[in-house]
Amino acid sequence: RKEVEQDPGPFNVPEGATVAFNCTYSNSASQSFFWYRQDCRKEPKLLMSVYSSGNEDGRFTAQLNRASQYISLLIRDSKLSDSATYLCVVNSRAGNMLTFGGGTRLMVKP
Amino acid sequence: NAGVTQTPKFRILKIGQSMTLQCTQDMNHNYMYWYRQDPGMGLKLIYYSVGAGITDKGEVPNGYNVSRSTTEDFPLRLELAAPSQTSVYFCASRQGQGGYGYTFGSGTRLTVV
Repeated sequence: RKEVEQDPGPFNVPEGATVAFNCTYSNSASQSFFWYRQDCRKEPKLLMSVYSSGNEDGRFTAQLNRASQYISLLIRDSKLSDSATYLCVVNSRAGNMLTFGGGTRLMVKP
Repeated sequence: NAGVTQTPKFRILKIGQSMTLQCTQDMNHNYMYWYRQDPGMGLKLIYYSVGAGITDKGEVPNGYNVSRSTTEDFPLRLELAAPSQTSVYFCASRQGQGGYGYTFGSGTRLTVV
């Protein structure tokens, strides 16, 4: 089983739609969780950290379910500029590096 | 504050040639990493370092070498380039463990022909 698993998509949604991605992780001892965004042919950039109580940043909401070992990202009122690959990231078993999921591709259409 | 700087941005190598990909960061981060990303694929860890003088192998270290003589610099050396090393290479740094994420450089796009 991979340490971090994501549905690769693509998710094709119209502008204004709400879309949610899930991610599962295998290491129950993981303490740090993040969502990164990667545009085509660019470096990954931190979108938001994920906190135990859940957190929101504008149109983006991240949730953590430790019991089921999954993380979610909700995007409300999708914009064309949200089209990108979203990477779920978890602190590794050793703690000294981050483990990246394969990414979920989102395409927002006019 | 430039963050993580990678040079060159693009390079074409012939099979058997060698080169060094440069990575430097100005955030005084102890942790640094090298990843490669093949087209349409995820990130694969090549090497990492938790501080000056300390390096360790990642998932795909064969064909590469690294050194970490200073906190700022973490160069990646390719010896005897092969077509399988055609990829985009990203360097990243991190302040520490725990709740710290990575800051990535803008990448080096390498083609081996």
